[in-house]
Amino acid sequence: KQEVTQIPAALSVPEGENLVLNCSFTDSAIYNLQWFRQDPGKGLTSLLLIQSSQREQTSGRLNASLDKSSGRSTLYIAASQPGDSATYLCAVNNYGQNFVFGPGTRLSVLP
Amino acid sequence: DADVTQTPRNRITKTGKRIMLECSQTKGHDRMYWYRQDPGLGLRLIYYSFDVKDINKGEISDGYSVSRQAQAKFSLSLESAIPNQTALYFCATSDFRPAGGPETQYFGPGTRLLVL
Repeated sequence: KQEVTQIPAALSVPEGENLVLNCSFTDSAIYNLQWFRQDPGKGLTSLLLIQSSQREQTSGRLNASLDKSSGRSTLYIAASQPGDSATYLCAVNNYGQNFVFGPGTRLSVLP
Repeated sequence: DADVTQTPRNRITKTGKRIMLECSQTKGHDRMYWYRQDPGLGLRLIYYSFDVKDINKGEISDGYSVSRQAQAKFSLSLESAIPNQTALYFCATSDFRPAGGPETQYFGPGTRLLVL
């Protein structure tokens, strides 16, 4: 059974810092991995999706990497801003199965 | 208009009551999902449907039932609500492509349910 963990559970940083969020999964035979952002009281918004054949994906100040062999993904946020404050979740998809979500990392970027 | 909508957005009910949460989508996706989110536990899958005639139980289906009325509509029912079903409920759709390509999930805004 696929299990997904995220470290840290919460993170507080001053504005402008670069930061890394971690996601680990137990079954490396994944089809893809997706990073989401969740704002309080709102749904999830997809940030980046990495297919199993890819090593990384970039969108603006966000960069997500994938190391299937070690069962890890990282989300790198450059030059953090207060507007980045949210909960970040990763989800993995094993082919033919459903998405399994991690518990999320709650990020606070202080002005 | 949002692509995935959920009604109601907030609901308070009493133990033993039957309630229904509704989800509609305009994305044209065949696949729809119901999740619940509890603090510290992430999202857990309740039910999913790959098309109107294909409905499957997820990780935590006990105490829930679903109905796929049309490609665009997927409803979740709590037949007899209990306090530990208090949670945030999300509906999602996905664009699975048999010929290849990534499967991306799109989420509704969520329904916050409180069972007293």
